Amino acid sequence: GAGVSQTPSNKVTEKGKYVELRCDPISGHTALYWYRQSLGQGPEFLIYFQGTGAADDSGLPNDRFFAVRPEGSVSTLKIQRTERGDSAVYLCASRPRHGGRDEQFFGPGTRLTVL
Amino acid sequence: AQSVTQLGSHVSVSEGALVLLRCNYSSSVPPYLFWYVQYPNQGLQLLLKYTTGATLVKGINGFEAEFKKSETSFHLTKPSAHMSDAAEYFCAVSENSGGSNYKLTFGKGTLLTVNP
Repeated sequence: GAGVSQTPSNKVTEKGKYVELRCDPISGHTALYWYRQSLGQGPEFLIYFQGTGAADDSGLPNDRFFAVRPEGSVSTLKIQRTERGDSAVYLCASRPRHGGRDEQFFGPGTRLTVL
Repeated sequence: AQSVTQLGSHVSVSEGALVLLRCNYSSSVPPYLFWYVQYPNQGLQLLLKYTTGATLVKGINGFEAEFKKSETSFHLTKPSAHMSDAAEYFCAVSENSGGSNYKLTFGKGTLLTVNP
């Protein structure tokens, strides 16, 4: 596709449930990021992938959060035992290459609501 | 760690008036600076960026920003606001905090309202 896509666009779940959020980066982009945007805040970094490996997961808030990118393109953010505080918009971004500070291209986000 | 401060969570201007959105940053290395715009229910779109070279940067939709190292500022301006400029604007700095991640650190955003 032309841009970064994310599915689903909206996800409503109950406290304690497991959710998966998917990101399809721009074709050929090796660098992939996940950010979380809470209401009234700017996006906050969660995790960075270079290829298949997570080069930096220091932004993940706790061990309920996990992300994978097994083939170096599509990534899935997984949240176990969801809590109401996990409600936010989860943004994915990709960049053509590792190690550069060029522009990140953002997807439209997945709005997660935990009831 | 780097940080970004956006003064004013909400700015309201009249159509045709000057738009000024303020951004200050802290960085221990020469910064790469970005302004992104977010329209309702949409992702972030890059308006403009400063990397190196000319300190006055022009972006899309008539926006520009000036990097002022002495003031650690990167304020966003547009001479004449249009109704379609109503959106939330985020200033961000690129930072390598590990693994050459060059993650973006964002300000809290400024909601721009344009009145007819």
